[in-house]
Amino acid sequence: DTAVSQTPKYLVTQMGNDKSIKCEQNLGHDTMYWYKQDSKKFLKIMFSYNNKELIINETVPNRFSPKSPDKAHLNLHINSLELGDSAVYFCASSHTGLGGYTFGSGTRLTVV
Amino acid sequence: AQSVTQPDIHITVSEGASLELRCNYSYGATPYLFWYVQSPGQGLQLLLKYFSGDTLVQGIKGFEAEFKRSQSSFNLRKPSVHWSDAAEYFCAVGAQGGGADGLTFGKGTHLIIQP
Repeated sequence: DTAVSQTPKYLVTQMGNDKSIKCEQNLGHDTMYWYKQDSKKFLKIMFSYNNKELIINETVPNRFSPKSPDKAHLNLHINSLELGDSAVYFCASSHTGLGGYTFGSGTRLTVV
Repeated sequence: AQSVTQPDIHITVSEGASLELRCNYSYGATPYLFWYVQSPGQGLQLLLKYFSGDTLVQGIKGFEAEFKRSQSSFNLRKPSVHWSDAAEYFCAVGAQGGGADGLTFGKGTHLIIQP
């Protein structure tokens, strides 16, 4: 199936750990994103990446780093996890000038 | 800077009644507008989108939305809601596709359906 897939779906970890969330899209899109949905359901963009350029939302701590091994993947690596990082993280993709945005099913991160 | 306002945090509607969810946007260029729905514990599903042309847009699940440039609004409507429509609804504005800014979302409207 064509889609944006994220793994894992759930992630529970202790404070101070380093973790990664993987995202893959097979839609042939040229831009990928990471969004964070907080406990109040508010969705905010963290990063966008289109092979040429990485745009970082200035409010994102530098403990968060996106890594893109190729055009179809944009992984999210988080260092030194904090309680406030607990949220649902959504990956999304789109194609410049065309269509809309396709979202993954989300990764619920819980830091204890 | 682009922004989206959904003035209603919660809306309660009786099953079978009509629904309208409000959305106002601020965007510097031609706005591309979206409505997404999120059921509890689920991801985001696209209901409909507006890029250009007819200002009344039909979507999935019987939803429609009307773009009104003069009012900077993109309200979502459904003539008769079903219990399965209970969910969180998000309005968003952004570029047609791609672009560094991605989508800017409103804070969502939580829809409750009364039997």
